[in-house]
Amino acid sequence: GAVVSQHPSWVICKSGTSVKIECRSLDFQATTMFWYRQFPKQSLMLMATSNEGSKATYEQGVEKDKFLINHASLTLSTLTVTSAHPEDSSFYICSARGTDTSSYEQYFGPGTRLTVT
Amino acid sequence: KQEVTQIPAALSVPEGENLVLNCSFTDSAIYNLQWFRQDPGKGLTSLLLIQSSQREQTSGRLNASLDKSSGRSTLYIAASQPGDSATYLCAVQGSQGNLIFGKGTKLSVKP
Repeated sequence: GAVVSQHPSWVICKSGTSVKIECRSLDFQATTMFWYRQFPKQSLMLMATSNEGSKATYEQGVEKDKFLINHASLTLSTLTVTSAHPEDSSFYICSARGTDTSSYEQYFGPGTRLTVT
Repeated sequence: KQEVTQIPAALSVPEGENLVLNCSFTDSAIYNLQWFRQDPGKGLTSLLLIQSSQREQTSGRLNASLDKSSGRSTLYIAASQPGDSATYLCAVQGSQGNLIFGKGTKLSVKP
């Protein structure tokens, strides 16, 4: 099946610094990638949708200048949390959707746990 | 705005029992519905995907049904095992492509 990887799997950073998270589709081309955030004991909430080569579409309430998304190729999307604060500590999960328009199934990465101290 | 609700929030059963997890959604205009499994601190494992035109999907001991008109889906797990213990998430996909998730049902199967 389709495999999506994320790097790093966990990261601890100091308040005020920036952190970059990578999402890669390993064996298929992902025309669309999604970034989700999950707080403890909560469900996944969509942050933004990115299509290769174009600007990401952010959900209401998500600051686009704080969460920078780049989808420069069909296999890689990055999420950069700029000037991170403790309230940004969360589990970030990406998903990728290929070109199979019969199902539009999304394939999820293993997630990245971010802790901001 | 689409909302997804899962009931119960938590469930504890003895090993070997059959069980049903419920998912409801407010907007029936969905493209598909997926059930996922999430282990603590881990990512998502896709279990079953049901297209809007389908009524059910089966994989091993799992069976998921979809009644789009009433906005309901169920996940049936037969002969539960301790290894089935996890949080089960239901998500619906709309025409925009994004998934709307429920809060999940935390399942504990006691040996």
